[in-house]
Amino acid sequence: DAKTTQPNSMESNEEEPVHLPCNHSTISGTDYIHWYRQLPSQGPEYVIHGLTSNVNNRMASLAIAEDRKSSTLILHRATLRDAAVYYCILRADGGSQGNLIFGKGTKLSVKP
Amino acid sequence: DTEVTQTPKHLVMGMTNKKSLKCEQHMGHRAMYWYKQKAKKPPELMFVYSYEKLSINESVPSRFSPECPNSSLLNLHLHALQPEDSALYLCASSQVQTGGRVGYTFGSGTRLTVV
Repeated sequence: DAKTTQPNSMESNEEEPVHLPCNHSTISGTDYIHWYRQLPSQGPEYVIHGLTSNVNNRMASLAIAEDRKSSTLILHRATLRDAAVYYCILRADGGSQGNLIFGKGTKLSVKP
Repeated sequence: DTEVTQTPKHLVMGMTNKKSLKCEQHMGHRAMYWYKQKAKKPPELMFVYSYEKLSINESVPSRFSPECPNSSLLNLHLHALQPEDSALYLCASSQVQTGGRVGYTFGSGTRLTVV
């Protein structure tokens, strides 16, 4: 299984950008990079995913390194509601390796 | 409808009880999943259903019995559970397994306490 490495925790100030890093040095060519977050007492929530190119959506941006061995989830302007555990997950393009398997994630705290 | 609905939200059961957790979605997703999450730990995959057929059982004890009666509904039947089975049980759905190209939609979970 390709694995990811994330910091255990990060802190941010409200209304400032947040860059959440993820290392995945053993990524294969067909692995997609997924990000989910889990707010307290809720189920995980899909944030964004990408393969090779940077991606933007209404929630966040995903910056993928050219060699794909790392990626960064960017929250452009953190709010208190963004305090959550953020999971970076690699998913193969099919088969059992395509299932969503969670690692430890990064716990993001947002200070007012 | 873009939600996965889980009922009940909370459940307390004795070790000799039989209970069921229910999960429902109306997004036309044909893959559905059960996860278990202990406190301060990441979710762990338990079962995967694809086109209403069980495709993956991650070595889950037989006291957990999943069922997918139709494409919108997923049940988890519980029998003779142990206190260590107390956890948040999460249901998720996705378009049929096309791997990493699609995301999962999760429900809010059922918080189970076994006494």
